[in-house]
Amino acid sequence: GEDVEQSLFLSVREGDSSVINCTYTDSSSTYLYWYKQEPGAGLQLLTYIFSNMDMKQDQRLTVLLNKKDKHLSLRIADTQTGDSAIYFCADSLGAGSYQLTFGKGTKLSVIP
Amino acid sequence: NAGVTQTPKFQVLKTGQSMTLQCAQDMNHEYMSWYRQDPGMGLRLIHYSVGAGITDQGEVPNGYNVSRSTTEDFPLRLLSAAPSQTSVYFCASRPTSGNTIYFGEGSWLTVV
Repeated sequence: GEDVEQSLFLSVREGDSSVINCTYTDSSSTYLYWYKQEPGAGLQLLTYIFSNMDMKQDQRLTVLLNKKDKHLSLRIADTQTGDSAIYFCADSLGAGSYQLTFGKGTKLSVIP
Repeated sequence: NAGVTQTPKFQVLKTGQSMTLQCAQDMNHEYMSWYRQDPGMGLRLIHYSVGAGITDQGEVPNGYNVSRSTTEDFPLRLLSAAPSQTSVYFCASRPTSGNTIYFGEGSWLTVV
């Protein structure tokens, strides 16, 4: 079955850039998503990218997709303490599929 | 603008008890699903529905039942709760067309 992998922890200093990486196995993935989860809260959709795109930028967020290597990254510029959270990568399998497969999440800690 | 509403937010059950987690959405979305989130495991799909009267199993369906009698509601039933079902449960919905998946705020369930 589909597998989505992420590193579990990332620690950065306030003001630096954060890069969270994700790999997936299914080449038919159509949409790839990044969700943010703060402690005790639900999932907040940050952004998503369609599989025919290489890059998507939204304010401080930049998503890069390398479809050949099945690698997705989320860059957060000028990381703030409010960015401390768990970030989940997820993909949607193939045309017409509504199911998401999630990675285990990357816990981002921002050091003041 | 309620979106996806889950109740209850917190629940403690004794082993063997039954209960229903409620999920309702007011966006007329055809697709609804239930996930569970466990530490270090990410989110895993329990059951999903592509429309009223249609349900199917996800990755971890054992111990759970669902039904979809209306477009708006998708309850998740635990027939005989077990400690292994201690988890955070998320309901999600998505329109047939469109890429945004909306999550509820989560239901924290503890089985003792």
